[in-house]
Amino acid sequence: QVQLVQSGAEVKRPGASVKVSCSTSGYSFSYYAIHWVRQAPGQRLEWMGWINADNGFTEYSQKFQDRITMTRDTSASTAYLELSSLRSEDTAFYYCARDRGRLITFGGATGTFDIWGQGTMVTVSS
Amino acid sequence: EIVMTQSPATLSVSPGERATLSCRASQSISSNLAWYQQKPGQAPRLLIYGASTRATGIPARFSGSGSGTDFTLTITSLQSEDFAVYYCQQYNKWPPWTFGQGTKVEIK
Repeated sequence: QVQLVQSGAEVKRPGASVKVSCSTSGYSFSYYAIHWVRQAPGQRLEWMGWINADNGFTEYSQKFQDRITMTRDTSASTAYLELSSLRSEDTAFYYCARDRGRLITFGGATGTFDIWGQGTMVTVSS
Repeated sequence: EIVMTQSPATLSVSPGERATLSCRASQSISSNLAWYQQKPGQAPRLLIYGASTRATGIPARFSGSGSGTDFTLTITSLQSEDFAVYYCQQYNKWPPWTFGQGTKVEIK
């Protein structure tokens, strides 16, 4: 079945960077976009950006524009999120999620998320 | 950025009863609205997209309605597994795609 499995929890110092992986299986990786969504404790879900798994095109929320990088490794069917210059407010669960629509059908991401990873807790603390 | 506002924050419902959740967008989003369910310690699950289309495997007791700025998620005959937090999300205008703050459905 379709699965997204994320890397384990991370603890980082303020100012450091973190890289989270999202390993996919059960479908053709390059056919769909991957999004990253985070959720701080007790807060709403917050969309961070998406990557076209076929051509690597990325689009980020302006909030993170200067310190976020999304990449993918098609040979490993894996997507990555890197967030730099971490601060305490970045403490959150980070989720990868597959876009519901096939890239070729919709010409891009639909912005709906049908399969989610289990989440990766990132704690930023001195 | 489109702001999504959900009400109420918490809804207390007895098992077997109906739950009605509301979501309002700060500007028209046509029917480009999705609903997600999130249980404690779990990732969200897609329930509804296109305001009223159930995602694969979602039971018929979940239904969505609305267009423009006002939307409703109805859960008829609540089951024990339905007690969770529900989020609406607009995907009409991006970036960013945005979520509501959630409605917690709890056992009365």
